[in-house]
Amino acid sequence: GENVEQHPSTLSVQEGDSAVIKCTYSDSASNYFPWYKQELGKGPQLIIDIRSNVGEKKDQRIAVTLNKTAKHFSLHITETQPEDSAVYFCAASWRGSTLGRLYFGRGTQLTVWP
Amino acid sequence: KAGVTQTPRYLIKTRGQQVTLSCSPISGHRSVSWYQQTPGQGLQFLFEYFSETQRNKGNFPGRFSGRQFSNSRSEMNVSTLELGDSALYLCASSSPRDRGQNTEAFFGQGTRLTVV
Repeated sequence: GENVEQHPSTLSVQEGDSAVIKCTYSDSASNYFPWYKQELGKGPQLIIDIRSNVGEKKDQRIAVTLNKTAKHFSLHITETQPEDSAVYFCAASWRGSTLGRLYFGRGTQLTVWP
Repeated sequence: KAGVTQTPRYLIKTRGQQVTLSCSPISGHRSVSWYQQTPGQGLQFLFEYFSETQRNKGNFPGRFSGRQFSNSRSEMNVSTLELGDSALYLCASSSPRDRGQNTEAFFGQGTRLTVV
């Protein structure tokens, strides 16, 4: 099956700085890569996703890049704010006619200091 | 539009008991998946249901089972509970539109199960 590696496991940045989280995947058939943010006591919240036919996607301060050849994708958060502090998970999936199984990375605890 | 609703939010059970968790997907979503989240193993896939049929199953023992009803609501059951079953159980719903169409998965708040 698919194996998703995520780095770093913890990340501390100053407010206003950028944060980058990187993930690699093993199965070249994976074609869907979502990112989730999980705050304490809550379920994961989808923040951005990218499909294999796209190399980059941006939504305000958040961007995701995908390199299919190298099988890695990254989350970029610019102008970080204290409310960005949370655990971030990357995932990979092959989506056919149904939802499909998400394979998750182990998570990155992001702390943004004011 | 209401999100994914999981009940109960918290549950304490004794070893050997069984438990049933419930998930109501977003209105119109027909696909429901279940995940177990623990500090040691992270997010692990349990199973996926679509139109009342189990489409995919993770690597969990037969004590873990689930079902989906005609209104897309889903339940999962764990029998003969073990201490290691203590975890946050998450449900995600999705609305596949066409074959081959990738769609987003939205998670509920989860049910925190503690086995003592």
